[in-house]
Amino acid sequence: GQNIDQPTEMTATEGAIVQINCTYQTSGFNGLFWYQQHAGEAPTFLSYNVLDGLEEKGRFSSFLSRSKGYSYLLLKELQMKDSASYLCAVVTTSGTYKYIFGTGTRLKVLA
Amino acid sequence: DGGITQSPKYLFRKEGQNVTLSCEQNLNHDAMYWYRQDPGQGLRLIYYSQIVNDFQKGDIAEGYSVSREKKESFPLTVTSAQKNPTAFYLCASSISPTNTEAFFGQGTRLTVV
Repeated sequence: GQNIDQPTEMTATEGAIVQINCTYQTSGFNGLFWYQQHAGEAPTFLSYNVLDGLEEKGRFSSFLSRSKGYSYLLLKELQMKDSASYLCAVVTTSGTYKYIFGTGTRLKVLA
Repeated sequence: DGGITQSPKYLFRKEGQNVTLSCEQNLNHDAMYWYRQDPGQGLRLIYYSQIVNDFQKGDIAEGYSVSREKKESFPLTVTSAQKNPTAFYLCASSISPTNTEAFFGQGTRLTVV
């Protein structure tokens, strides 16, 4: 089967650092994506990892370990506008390529 | 402006009626996807298409149907067989079905009464 797990909710304080974890078990692997989704809106792309290691993009970084089926999204210098859901997605390769999303993590940033 | 458009944004239907949600993209993307999102939940894959005239069932295809007669268009029909159709529906596309970023439409919120 295919499984992508994330914590349901997290809370952090403005200015702090937060790490959102994602673990996956999928049939084949062809890349992992992180998206941000504000309530009632469409998801927007944040980052992409296909090789092991850390990808940094401003206040956001994403890490991947393929052998462990594990990724995390690191958000630094949190701002109130970062309050949103963060979705982990994997492109699987079992016969056809499928873009599968995790359950998402709702992040609340408190003043 | 290139993008992916879903219409309408809000849709109300009576129970037992079929309804078709529109999704159009002018990004020249090969791959298109339909997802369903319930309150406080992640995205669940309904159907996807890697190329024109071809589509595959996702994880929750029962009660839904799609077509991909044109590269730009991937309409989703929610049939009366779908037991719980009220949800937020998101369409997405990507350049290729492999390892590229997905672009999303603004979504259609379907309410069945």
